[in-house]
Amino acid sequence: SQKIEQNSEALNIQEGKTATLTCNYTNYSPAYLQWYRQDPGRGPVFLLLIRENEKEKRKERLKVTFDTTLKQSLFHITASQPADSATYLCALDVGYSSASKIIFGSGTRLSIRP
Amino acid sequence: NAGVTQTPKFRILKIGQSMTLQCTQDMNHNYMYWYRQDPGMGLKLIYYSVGAGITDKGEVPNGYNVSRSTTEDFPLRLELAAPSQTSVYFCASSAAETGELFFGEGSRLTVL
Repeated sequence: SQKIEQNSEALNIQEGKTATLTCNYTNYSPAYLQWYRQDPGRGPVFLLLIRENEKEKRKERLKVTFDTTLKQSLFHITASQPADSATYLCALDVGYSSASKIIFGSGTRLSIRP
Repeated sequence: NAGVTQTPKFRILKIGQSMTLQCTQDMNHNYMYWYRQDPGMGLKLIYYSVGAGITDKGEVPNGYNVSRSTTEDFPLRLELAAPSQTSVYFCASSAAETGELFFGEGSRLTVL
């Protein structure tokens, strides 16, 4: 069965440093991978999508890489701020046809200390 | 623009009771999803739908049923509620072209 692993349950870093979160998957070759942010008591919010033919994607202080050989995505937040503290989830489309069956990893809880 | 709306926000059920969680979206999205999230965990896909009249099982479908009679609505039915179904339930929708999911605010269900 498809499996998505986010390597750290929690990550605690100093403000201003770069946070790097990892998402690994097995038994599938997704056409794209997504990252979401979730604050306590709220639904996840979409951040970035990266397709299988894209190596890297950027949005402001966020950067995502996608290595389909390693079956891994890295999510970076540069110049981190306390407001970046949240849980970050990666998601894959594991549907076998045109259907969009999106499953999530367990998330990494990121804490940025001042 | 309301986006994805879920009702109720909170509900307490007794073991064996049944209920329906409502989800509606006003973005004309074809794809809709139900997830559950247990404390400190990620989201698990219960059921999803790629359009009106079409539904399919996700990772954890047992104990749940869905229907999709219109593009806007995707209700989730719990039959014979069990304590293991205590969770926060999220509904989401997406346009086929982008894949980006838009989530509702969640429905917190407790089964006692």
